[in-house]
Amino acid sequence: QVQLQESGPGLVKPSETLSLICSVSGDSVDSYYWNWIRQPAGKPLEWIGRFYSGGATDYNPSLKSRVTMSIDTSKNQFLLSLSSVTAADTAVYYCARDPPGDGADVFDIWGRGTMVTVSS
Amino acid sequence: DIVMTQSPDSLAVSLGERATINCKSSQSVLYSSYNKNYLAWYQQKPGQPPKLLIYWASTRESGVPDRFSGSGSGTDFTLTISSLQAEDVAVYYCQQYYNTRPLTFGGGTKVEIK
Repeated sequence: QVQLQESGPGLVKPSETLSLICSVSGDSVDSYYWNWIRQPAGKPLEWIGRFYSGGATDYNPSLKSRVTMSIDTSKNQFLLSLSSVTAADTAVYYCARDPPGDGADVFDIWGRGTMVTVSS
Repeated sequence: DIVMTQSPDSLAVSLGERATINCKSSQSVLYSSYNKNYLAWYQQKPGQPPKLLIYWASTRESGVPDRFSGSGSGTDFTLTISSLQAEDVAVYYCQQYYNTRPLTFGGGTKVEIK
């Protein structure tokens, strides 16, 4: 059974860098596509970007200049870095898997999410 | 970006009655070569992550009850809950994956019991 768990600091100061980890169990992080998605309180979902097995990335153009995604195969983890954060980056951050198969870029497995607040 | 617009924002339905949620995309998400609509639906209950219900506009994810069905093509799509159950109270989101830069979601529709 594939499980994802996000972790990271719950509080980040404005202008600093937000760093989150998604720990993957039951699957290899070096396969499929791995995504980060966020949701401000009471608001809809926003796709941040994804990391492909093989090292390619796709980022939301609205965040592209501030986002970096990578994997750590030794720890089976998927990583997010978001720089120069502001209050607008306050949200629940989810990692999610894009399943293999027929080319549907959807999200079949999600972590429970981690709340990140940007405040001084 | 492909903008996804859902309606209504919320609806209240009696137990056992039908619930219908609409999703409209700002451009067609039908890939003609494959005759597939690049549209998915998710259910999100309070305090939980979203759950994939439907993809390719009408294909149910494994384990999803058959009271959930998706329909539509091109720019107009519908999620129907044929007989609302108490456990279906949630916010429902559509998502397009025709354009992956970026993948985009609708604004959500909250379903409650009348």
